[in-house]
Amino acid sequence: DGGITQSPKYLFRKEGQNVTLSCEQNLNHDAMYWYRQDPGQGLRLIYYSQIVNDFQKGDIAEGYSVSREKKESFPLTVTSAQKNPTAFYLCASSRFTSEQYFGPGTRLTVT
Amino acid sequence: GENVEQHPSTLSVQEGDSAVIKCTYSDSASNYFPWYKQELGKRPQLIIDIRSNVGEKKDQRIAVTLNKTAKHFSLHITETQPEDSAVYFCAASKDDKIIFGKGTRLHILP
Repeated sequence: DGGITQSPKYLFRKEGQNVTLSCEQNLNHDAMYWYRQDPGQGLRLIYYSQIVNDFQKGDIAEGYSVSREKKESFPLTVTSAQKNPTAFYLCASSRFTSEQYFGPGTRLTVT
Repeated sequence: GENVEQHPSTLSVQEGDSAVIKCTYSDSASNYFPWYKQELGKRPQLIIDIRSNVGEKKDQRIAVTLNKTAKHFSLHITETQPEDSAVYFCAASKDDKIIFGKGTRLHILP
């Protein structure tokens, strides 16, 4: 499980504020991913990146933004446009089409 | 885009019995099918995976079967134990994009 970290573990924000979730990996993986996990909804793909300076929208990208300036880092910004941002967010990384390694997650609460 | 359906959403089996979880996918170009286990409060972890050129794969008490024609794949757990209690996710992948099913909560009854 080591090698991919997310911070912070818990995050609280007021409605209308943007918030950035951190994801770092030292596994030398090319691909990185962001998922949102809600009860009964499984893991829904927000964004993914196969290479530095490139990323693709997943199924629920609206209200989120990402950057991939470094291979090791893939931060996710939850913008004020996201209508229901309170959720558990998981970051993952992998080599090309193989096992994904997940971070410990960040639980975001917006009030 | 790819859509993955997973059934059942909840499964209870007696300890020692077998458990089967089934998934279907929509994109015939998907070529990698992993299964993840998520214990309460923990991150998902890969338990077994299969690629599209293989029909079956086993690892001790766990096996996965793939039917490419029907676009479905299944997870089989034999001789279930209390530590098998968790949420299990199937997924289908093509070109690094991985889509997960909604998960199956497996309860092992004593």
